[in-house]
Amino acid sequence: EVQLVESGGGLVKPGGSLRLSCAASGFTFSSYSMNWVRQAPGKGLEWVSSISSSSSYIYYADSVKGRFTISRDNAKNSLYLQMNSLRAEDTAVYYCASIVVVVAASGMDVWGQGTTVTVSS
Amino acid sequence: QSVLTQPPSVSAAPGQKVTISCSGSSSNIGNNYVSWYQQLPGTAPKLLIYDNNKRPSGIPDRFSGSKSGTSATLGITGLQTGDEADYYCGTWDSSLSRVFGGGTKLTVL
Repeated sequence: EVQLVESGGGLVKPGGSLRLSCAASGFTFSSYSMNWVRQAPGKGLEWVSSISSSSSYIYYADSVKGRFTISRDNAKNSLYLQMNSLRAEDTAVYYCASIVVVVAASGMDVWGQGTTVTVSS
Repeated sequence: QSVLTQPPSVSAAPGQKVTISCSGSSSNIGNNYVSWYQQLPGTAPKLLIYDNNKRPSGIPDRFSGSKSGTSATLGITGLQTGDEADYYCGTWDSSLSRVFGGGTKLTVL
C-alpha cells in the first residue's frame, strides 16, 4: 500500500524552529518528486515547497522562502521540512504529498494524514 | 487571497448536477494542466481529476473536469449527500510553484 506518514508537529513559540518528517512506503520513493502543502485552520490549501527526486530542483512559496528548508533522504525513504523563524501565520496542518499512482503532469494523488503545527506564545 | 478564484460555496439537491468554476490567468491555468481535489471534513485532500479531465482509478464518472482558456470547471452529477465537502482546483504557475484555489464548499440540500 502506498503510504505517507507525517510526524514532528507540535506547539512552538514564535521565532522557534521545528522539523517535520514524512515517511514513505509502498513505492520507490527515490523516483518521485515530493511536496509539502499546508492548511491553516478554517482556510484553504497552500503549497509550501517541492523537491525533485534527486534533490536537484527545489522550490518554495514566497511566504516561507528563507525560513523553511525542504530535504529528503532517499536511503531512508523520508522527506523533511526544517522550519525556522516560525510565525503565528505558519500555524497549520502540514501535509506531504506526491503524484505516484497515476502518470500525470498535474495533481497529487498520495497524501499523508497531516501533522499539526501551532505557533503561539 | 488565492491565485486561483473559486466560488466560496455552491449547493444543489440530491440527484442534481453542480459545477464549480476555477479562474486563473495565462501564467497558471492558461498554460498548465489543472487538477481537482475533494476534502471531506477532517481528512486529507483526495485527487478527483488530473490533467484537466482525467479521473484516477476509483473515482466515479459522476465527476468530470474541463478547461477552457484560463478557466477550469469541475462537474458533479447525480449528487449524493456524501459529496458534501470542500473542493479545490490546483495547477502550476509560471514560477514553477503550485497554486490552489481558495476552495468551494459544496452543500447537498
